[in-house]
Amino acid sequence: GQQLNQSPQSMFIQEGEDVSMNCTSSSIFNTWLWYKQDPGEGPVLLIALYKAGELTSNGRLTAQFGITRKDSFLNISASIPSDVGIYFCGGGAQKLVFGQGTRLTINP
Amino acid sequence: DTAVSQTPKYLVTQMGNDKSIKCEQNLGHDTMYWYKQDSKKFLKIMFSYNNKELIINETVPNRFSPKSPDKAHLNLHINSLELGDSAVYFCASSQGLQGRHTEAFFGQGTRLTVV
Repeated sequence: GQQLNQSPQSMFIQEGEDVSMNCTSSSIFNTWLWYKQDPGEGPVLLIALYKAGELTSNGRLTAQFGITRKDSFLNISASIPSDVGIYFCGGGAQKLVFGQGTRLTINP
Repeated sequence: DTAVSQTPKYLVTQMGNDKSIKCEQNLGHDTMYWYKQDSKKFLKIMFSYNNKELIINETVPNRFSPKSPDKAHLNLHINSLELGDSAVYFCASSQGLQGRHTEAFFGQGTRLTVV
């Protein structure tokens, strides 16, 4: 089945630092989605990407749909404490599958 | 007026029991999903329904039986619960299966603990 490899699995950073995470796949996807999950909650959509090469921002978040359609990255600039959580990439092609998640921890 | 709501939020039950989790979405979406999130937080798709019809069954044991009485509801019934079924189960919905329609909205999850 389709698999997404998301890295890094965890990050420990200082408040104010920039963050970068990415997902790669052996399959081509038509859609790349980035979600954030807070403890005890369901994942919430942050950014959606629909075209190869597309670069989209949402506040301090920026994500790109790779040219090959097999990868995507998410950057968070100037991290703040409320950015803590687990970030998931999702790839869509008839179904939505997810990477393993990146757990972000921020030291104040 | 939660967009995707699932009940119950917590479910503790003994091995061998049968239990159901209910899900409702008020977004007017055509597609609904069940995902299982294990202790390592991996989100694995279980089922996908489109307009009440089963589209995807990701080799889930047949002890798990989804039922979609209408487009707005997708319930999950689990027979003969096993310890390994303990996980958080998420319901989600999207407009459809292509392009922008694949943006999925998730419920708050049901934490199932089998003892």
